[in-house]
Amino acid sequence: NAGVTQTPKFQVLKTGQSMTLQCAQDMNHEYMSWYRQDPGMGLRLIHYSVGAGITDQGEVPNGYNVSRSTTEDFPLRLLSAAPSQTSVYFCASSGRAYEQYFGPGTRLTVT
Amino acid sequence: AQTVTQSQPEMSVQEAETVTLSCTYDTSESDYYLFWYKQPPSRQMILVIRQEAYKQQNATENRFSVNFQKAAKSFSLKISDSQLGDAAMYFCAYRSAPYGSSNTGKLIFGQGTTLQVKP
Repeated sequence: NAGVTQTPKFQVLKTGQSMTLQCAQDMNHEYMSWYRQDPGMGLRLIHYSVGAGITDQGEVPNGYNVSRSTTEDFPLRLLSAAPSQTSVYFCASSGRAYEQYFGPGTRLTVT
Repeated sequence: AQTVTQSQPEMSVQEAETVTLSCTYDTSESDYYLFWYKQPPSRQMILVIRQEAYKQQNATENRFSVNFQKAAKSFSLKISDSQLGDAAMYFCAYRSAPYGSSNTGKLIFGQGTTLQVKP
């Protein structure tokens, strides 16, 4: 049972480049979320999904796109990377019960 | 909107001693869940303990316990017999109760408290 997987673990981008952070879960969870972690600010919600085909914005959505075509996958797209998007990104999933399962995180640096 | 505040950026404790991490939150909801997560240097988020708001009894998991004061909107974490492996960043988090339109799976996090354990 893999749980929540994220790729890549590390990434360096130049300003203006685009990329997709991959997230997958094998627990048949309805709810998936993307967070970013910055020093002194905890984890902040970027986008979330309550099921396949349904997504919504979180607290800090600007500069990011998501889609949820399947229950398992929830990719996060950076269309034009900016230095302000340097952060650690976590994907998480949960079922109807309380516990949220987190992926291992992606450390992204934008130069 | 709900908010979570951790007012202690850093704490330290001597090994085998007890330490309490503070968390306050604001919400107009009556039913919700509260969590403490541990994040060691590996970055992995690890659930330490949870508390359902409708339960009056404070949750306990081995050396970890909470002091849940619903009226005061306070949710502190007590770590007893601290061990070197407890050194990590700790996050307090809030989730709306899982029913109806509030069932989105979203967590709202505090800023985190870095705990140092001294040998």
